[in-house]
Amino acid sequence: GAVVSQHPSWVICKSGTSVKIECRSLDFQATTMFWYRQFPKQSLMLMATSNEGSKATYEQGVEKDKFLINHASLTLSTLTVTSAHPEDSSFYICSASGGTGSWYTGELFFGEGSRLTVL
Amino acid sequence: DAKTTQPPSMDCAEGRAANLPCNHSTISGNEYVYWYRQIHSQGPQYIIHGLKNNETNEMASLIITEDRKSSTLILPHATLRDTAVYYCIVNQGGKLIFGQGTELSVKP
Repeated sequence: GAVVSQHPSWVICKSGTSVKIECRSLDFQATTMFWYRQFPKQSLMLMATSNEGSKATYEQGVEKDKFLINHASLTLSTLTVTSAHPEDSSFYICSASGGTGSWYTGELFFGEGSRLTVL
Repeated sequence: DAKTTQPPSMDCAEGRAANLPCNHSTISGNEYVYWYRQIHSQGPQYIIHGLKNNETNEMASLIITEDRKSSTLILPHATLRDTAVYYCIVNQGGKLIFGQGTELSVKP
């Protein structure tokens, strides 16, 4: 099946620094990618929808200036957590739609996730 | 908001069938039902999806009621490696909004 890769798998940073997480579709072109975050023992929460070549659409309550999303190509989307604080520590997961047929009817592939710890 | 409700947890004996229910009473006519599972600290893994008809693949079967208000995921012969959180999700206009899922524990 299609593969979505995230990098880094885990990152530790100091409070106040910015961290970039990459999401790549390895064997298909993804016009739409999604970013989720997950706190321990909780479900995934959709943060934003990323469309190639346009601005991301953020879910209610998600600060767009805090979580910068760039989807510059059909195989790469990035999430930058700006001025990270300990409460931003979480598991960040991206997903991308498959290349065949309408995304509404096909699979959505998820990356392995990136665990961010802010000290 | 998620359109699905699932029991928070279930147990299943190894080798037996695991039947995971899901209610989605407000589903619209063109919205697909998806099932994913998540093993601790990993990204969700796709299992199966369907619209109206029952579906089967190498991992599982999906039974959707005629009124589409509920569905059941069936793992025919559960193994210890099937222990995970299983999410039933309705594709809402291209978005997958996760509910709380069912934590399935497969026991020897």
